[in-house]
Amino acid sequence: ILNVEQSPQSLHVQEGDSTNFTCSFPSSNFYALHWYRWETAKSPEALFVMTLNGDEKKKGRISATLNTKEGYSYLYIKGSQPEDSATYLCAANPVYGGSQGNLIFGKGTKLSVKP
Amino acid sequence: GAGVSQSPSNKVTEKGKDVELRCDPISGHTALYWYRQSLGQGLEFLIYFQGNSAPDKSGLPSDRFSAERTGGSVSTLTIQRTQQEDSAVYLCASSLRTGPGTQYFGPGTRLLVL
Repeated sequence: ILNVEQSPQSLHVQEGDSTNFTCSFPSSNFYALHWYRWETAKSPEALFVMTLNGDEKKKGRISATLNTKEGYSYLYIKGSQPEDSATYLCAANPVYGGSQGNLIFGKGTKLSVKP
Repeated sequence: GAGVSQSPSNKVTEKGKDVELRCDPISGHTALYWYRQSLGQGLEFLIYFQGNSAPDKSGLPSDRFSAERTGGSVSTLTIQRTQQEDSAVYLCASSLRTGPGTQYFGPGTRLLVL
């Protein structure tokens, strides 16, 4: 069974602060790693999909890295803005114990950015 | 183009009643997924469809849950004899095909069982 863990559970930062979150997964049972951003009452929004060790992806002020050998991914937000306030979800596609494509999600990191 | 849509957006029902949740995926997406998020929990996989067939039903929590997809498009998730523990946000997602690619989510149906 693939367990995806995220930390911290919640984070409160001031506008302009840079921040990062962690997602960990079993490196022996991994196919792809996804990051989503979920604002209240909206659809989860896809940020990144990564598959290769050492992958780095960037979208504006948000970036992510992937280490498949040790089983973790970091999501970075540079210069946080109030509109970045959301829950950030990490999800993995397992090789074993899952069907093709179903995602195993962590519980998310809830980010609050104060003006 | 239009994204994934779900209806109803909110549903309040009494324990023991049946409910139907609907998902309309992005046009052309062959894969469709149902997830749910119960209070304090992460998103939990329920079932996925490739076309009209559901190769993996392992995530359905009990035999009160069923889902179908017709015409390779719209899907309905049915919960019979609802229980309070069924209260959750039910999310639908679609993707071009099964595999590790991006899944596009709808806004969800918030179900409350009294």
